[in-house]
Amino acid sequence: AQRVTQPEKLLSVFKGAPVELKCNYSYSGSPELFWYVQYSRQRLQLLLRHISRESIKGFTADLNKGETSFHLKKPFAQEEDSAMYYCALRDRDSSYKLIFGSGTRLLVRP
Amino acid sequence: DTGVSQDPRHKITKRGQNVTFRCDPISEHNRLYWYRQTLGQGPEFLTYFQNEAQLEKSRLLSDRFSAERPKGSFSTLEIQRTEQGDSAMYLCASSKRTGVVETQYFGPGTRLLVL
Repeated sequence: AQRVTQPEKLLSVFKGAPVELKCNYSYSGSPELFWYVQYSRQRLQLLLRHISRESIKGFTADLNKGETSFHLKKPFAQEEDSAMYYCALRDRDSSYKLIFGSGTRLLVRP
Repeated sequence: DTGVSQDPRHKITKRGQNVTFRCDPISEHNRLYWYRQTLGQGPEFLTYFQNEAQLEKSRLLSDRFSAERPKGSFSTLEIQRTEQGDSAMYLCASSKRTGVVETQYFGPGTRLLVL
């Protein structure tokens, strides 16, 4: 079955520290992976997708098919990065729906 | 604001009552999705429309739930005979394929509380 796992419910770091939000998935097809972010009192929005291979707000994520992971990383966390982060998967070949993980709350302390 | 809009933003109802939610997608987006999010969980897919056709439904969508998208524009999600377990945030998203890229844009959600 398709599944996205985010093992950490809460990740707390100090400003300037490196951040890694973990995401593992189980799927045997051709997945497309995303990171969505939800800032306080705002709607869910796309942060980045694996096919774009770009850095958004200093965040990057690399799809590792061998480890079935798509971890989100940032070398130096900022207070404004505090938010809920959701990893999501979509099967490009058969469906348009997104399958989300349960989310990780990132708290960046001053 | 030209983003996805949802109405109402909050709904409190008594068990057994029917409720209807509305979603207005971004103009020209031909795909529309409904998700449900409960506390501490990520959004879970409920159903999906391409234009006016409902192409996929989750097993989560019991026979008490019905969704429509007349004329391929706005969509409604109706829950009949609500139960306390229906309490959740109901999210709507819309998308349009541009080349190989397709991004789902989410609305603010409708928070339902069933007493």
